[in-house]
Amino acid sequence: EIVLTQSPATLSLSPGEGATLSCRASHSVSSSYLAWYQQKPGQAPRLLIYDTSSRATGVPDRFSGSGSGTDFTLTISRLEPEDFAVYYCQQYGSSPRTFGPGTKVDIK
Amino acid sequence: QLQLQESGPGLVKPSETLSLTCTVSGGSISSSSYYWGWIRQPPGKGLEWIGSIYYSGSTYYNPSLKSRVTISVDTSKSQFSLKLTSVTATDTAVYYCVRALGYGFYPSLFDYWGQGTLVTVSS
Repeated sequence: EIVLTQSPATLSLSPGEGATLSCRASHSVSSSYLAWYQQKPGQAPRLLIYDTSSRATGVPDRFSGSGSGTDFTLTISRLEPEDFAVYYCQQYGSSPRTFGPGTKVDIK
Repeated sequence: QLQLQESGPGLVKPSETLSLTCTVSGGSISSSSYYWGWIRQPPGKGLEWIGSIYYSGSTYYNPSLKSRVTISVDTSKSQFSLKLTSVTATDTAVYYCVRALGYGFYPSLFDYWGQGTLVTVSS
């Protein structure tokens, strides 16, 4: 099983600032099959990024993903008020599919 | 617009069986492109994939839960269901039903989610 770790656990930033979230895998993620989800309080997660860097339908271009192998990054170029949430990475390169523990982006 | 809606008891006693159903609307559960499944989230914690099913009945389970999980599908009702046996307090969580895109003939990417239902295991 691939274990995903995310850092930092919490990121305190102000609107307009940029955010860089890290996801590290215990083993190489096959074919860069890495996704990112956003979850707001009381809501289900929402798919943001898949295949490491492809944005899901309707996702603003301030969200971008990069990485390969065991190291992946979600970048939010300029935080909007609606971006303050928890972000999870998920790998689907091997079974079982697994999620990271999440990074909370909160308002400074 | 595809919608998934969970239903079932919100309280289950320890050692009993947790049973949930997900009703799919706005799309076909029999589509060959998708898998249907369950993900859970304990209060204040992260996400755990429980398992998924294809419309044909093929199932895929997380090995950590495989001995206790059964997922079934009823295409005539556009529903799929989860049964988790011998529950304990550690099974307390919000349970989400999800649609998954397949990669490598395996449920992989979770693109539609139900709103989630909290199931508490307590006597």
